Amino acid sequence: GAVVSQHPSRVICKSGTSVKIECRSLDFQATTMFWYRQFPKQSLMLMATSNEGSKATYEQGVEKDKFLINHASLTLSTLTVTSAHPEDSSFYICSASQRGETYEQYFGPGTRLTVT
Amino acid sequence: GQNIDQPTEMTATEGAIVQINCTYQTSGFNGLFWYQQHAGEAPTFLSYNVLDGLEEKGRFSSFLSRSKGYSYLLLKELQMKDSASYLCVVNTNAGKSTFGDGTTLTVKP
Repeated sequence: GAVVSQHPSRVICKSGTSVKIECRSLDFQATTMFWYRQFPKQSLMLMATSNEGSKATYEQGVEKDKFLINHASLTLSTLTVTSAHPEDSSFYICSASQRGETYEQYFGPGTRLTVT
Repeated sequence: GQNIDQPTEMTATEGAIVQINCTYQTSGFNGLFWYQQHAGEAPTFLSYNVLDGLEEKGRFSSFLSRSKGYSYLLLKELQMKDSASYLCVVNTNAGKSTFGDGTTLTVKP
């Protein structure tokens, strides 16, 4: 099956610093990648949708200048949390999709971000 | 907008059968997914329905009725490892996915 990796799996950073999270599709070309955030005991909340070579589409309430997304190739998308604050601490999950009949999403293992 | 409703919690006994329901309201429906998510892990794909009817895959089956905006996930021969959150996800023609809040299933011995 399709495999999506995320790096790092866990990161702890100080308030005010920036953190970059990578999402890679390992054995397929991902036309579209999605970034989600999940707080404890809550469902996934879509932050943004990115298509290779174009600007990401952000969901309402998500600051595009704070959460920078770059989808430079069909196998790599990055999410940079700029000037992180403790309230940004969360579980960040990416998924990748081959635009086809089912739009099935293949999820990465997630990144646990803790901002101190 | 899209609304997805599923029960918050369910409990069942090992070896039993459990049915998790999901109702939705959406425009431009283009398929419904069920995902399983264990605590602290990313979701994994279980099933996909785009036409009415039942899809069976081993111990898991999923049913869809588009006219009723209704789906269910059926888990048979429950095992302890089936304790997880089950997410109902609706896709639209625009390629957008909306996640339900998830149903936390606890399987007891």
